[in-house]
Amino acid sequence: DAGVTQSPTHLIKTRGQHVTLRCSPISGHKSVSWYQQVLGQGPQFIFQYYEKEERGRGNFPDRFSARQFPNYSSELNVNALLLGDSALYLCASSSRDGNQPQHFGDGTRLSIL
Amino acid sequence: AQSVTQLDSHVSVSEGTPVLLRCNYSSSYSPSLFWYVQHPNKGLQLLLKYTSAATLVKGINGFEAEFKKSETSFHLTKPSAHMSDAAEYFCVVSERGFQKLVFGTGTRLLVSP
Repeated sequence: DAGVTQSPTHLIKTRGQHVTLRCSPISGHKSVSWYQQVLGQGPQFIFQYYEKEERGRGNFPDRFSARQFPNYSSELNVNALLLGDSALYLCASSSRDGNQPQHFGDGTRLSIL
Repeated sequence: AQSVTQLDSHVSVSEGTPVLLRCNYSSSYSPSLFWYVQHPNKGLQLLLKYTSAATLVKGINGFEAEFKKSETSFHLTKPSAHMSDAAEYFCVVSERGFQKLVFGTGTRLLVSP
């Protein structure tokens, strides 16, 4: 079975631009979470979605938004990009069952110039 | 709020010697704890999980961890290091079930021949 897939793998943007990152969860997984990993640090929680509804939000500004589609795939949008948004953005999926941990994709490396 | 502290930013071992990566957690109730590994330019792979069953948890690739409530610790061990174990390791605690993961700052494991 395919794991969590993210696209694109790498992206270069300039300050002020907008970006959309995409994630397809493992088949059968209904929950998708997004994390930001700045170089040299652990991942930080951004959002969690389940059944197209936002279930959790981390300490990120309103420039960050996300949504989940009927097929459970998800998009993360970031507006008005800042240099500090340069990071690896990770998507994770899990089933609704509380005993199932999250499975991560390889991430999208976003560089802001 | 829940948190984890990884006590070493870097650990160096020789191939064939034991590995010990230390983690302490803070939680107001019985936590779920995980260890994830991240190889360069890759996503996160689950090594093992603790979810209030057996306190000694066995994971993949010969790793195991012991949950010690009295010491609020969840240290990761492996009897014999392999060159392929060189990577970044993250101790993780979950909030609200599995919907939000809180990561430690990571421990970089270096394995020399």
